[in-house]
Amino acid sequence: DTGVSQDPRHKITKRGQNVTFRCDPISEHNRLYWYRQTLGQGPEFLTYFQNEAQLEKSRLLSDRFSAERPKGSFSTLEIQRTEQGDSAMYLCASSPPSGVASPGELFFGEGSRLTVL
Amino acid sequence: AQSVTQPDIHITVSEGASLELRCNYSYGATPYLFWYVQSPGQGLQLLLKYFSGDTLVQGIKGFEAEFKRSQSSFNLRKPSVHWSDAAEYFCAVGPLEYGNKLVFGAGTILRVKS
Repeated sequence: DTGVSQDPRHKITKRGQNVTFRCDPISEHNRLYWYRQTLGQGPEFLTYFQNEAQLEKSRLLSDRFSAERPKGSFSTLEIQRTEQGDSAMYLCASSPPSGVASPGELFFGEGSRLTVL
Repeated sequence: AQSVTQPDIHITVSEGASLELRCNYSYGATPYLFWYVQSPGQGLQLLLKYFSGDTLVQGIKGFEAEFKRSQSSFNLRKPSVHWSDAAEYFCAVGPLEYGNKLVFGAGTILRVKS
C-alpha cells in the first residue's frame, strides 16, 4: 500500500523562476487537497479537487498559482514567477470517497519544500 | 472567523510522564475537531477526531482527547509518554462535510527527555 507521494521533495529556485510540484494520491482516493506550511505555522488550505474538478480555492492562491488534476488522479501545483515569500512546505493530501473514511480524515504526503533565493 | 489556538509552542516532558497539549478553537457552527501528528520527515498522521457523541475520544498510539464545548477546548492527553512520541502536534477544526478545508493551529512541538 503506497501512501501519498510528492515530487520533488526539495526544490531550490531563484526568484522569478517557475516551479511545479506533483502529487500522486492514494489510489482510489477521489479527493485531493493542497496545503502550504510555513515555518512555525500549521498547514493552510490552498485548494481542493474532487476527481478532476477544482471545487474550492483559497484566497491565498494568487494568480501566480495554478493547480490541476487532469484525469482525476495525480495533481500538479505550479507557481509562476516565484517570490521569496513562496518559500514553504507544500503539502498534498487525499481522502477516499464518502463513507469510506470520515470527513476531514486526510492522508498527507511528506511534502515538497520550496526555497526561493 | 474560524481559528485554532495552541498556546504552547514547545513542551518538554520526561519519558513515562503524563502529557496534555492544549487546543482552543473558534468556530461558528458545530465543529469537527482533529489532532494530527507530524514526525520529522513524515507526513501528518491523524491521531483522533471528534464530531459528536462521547466527549472523550480515543485515538491511536494511546492518545485521547476531551471536547469541552463550554471552554471551546479539545485538549490532547496521554498518560505515559514514550520517546517515540516526540513530534509536532496539530489541532484542527473543520465543518461536518466532505471536502472540508481544515483550519490548523500553529502546532506544539513535543520533546521527550529520558
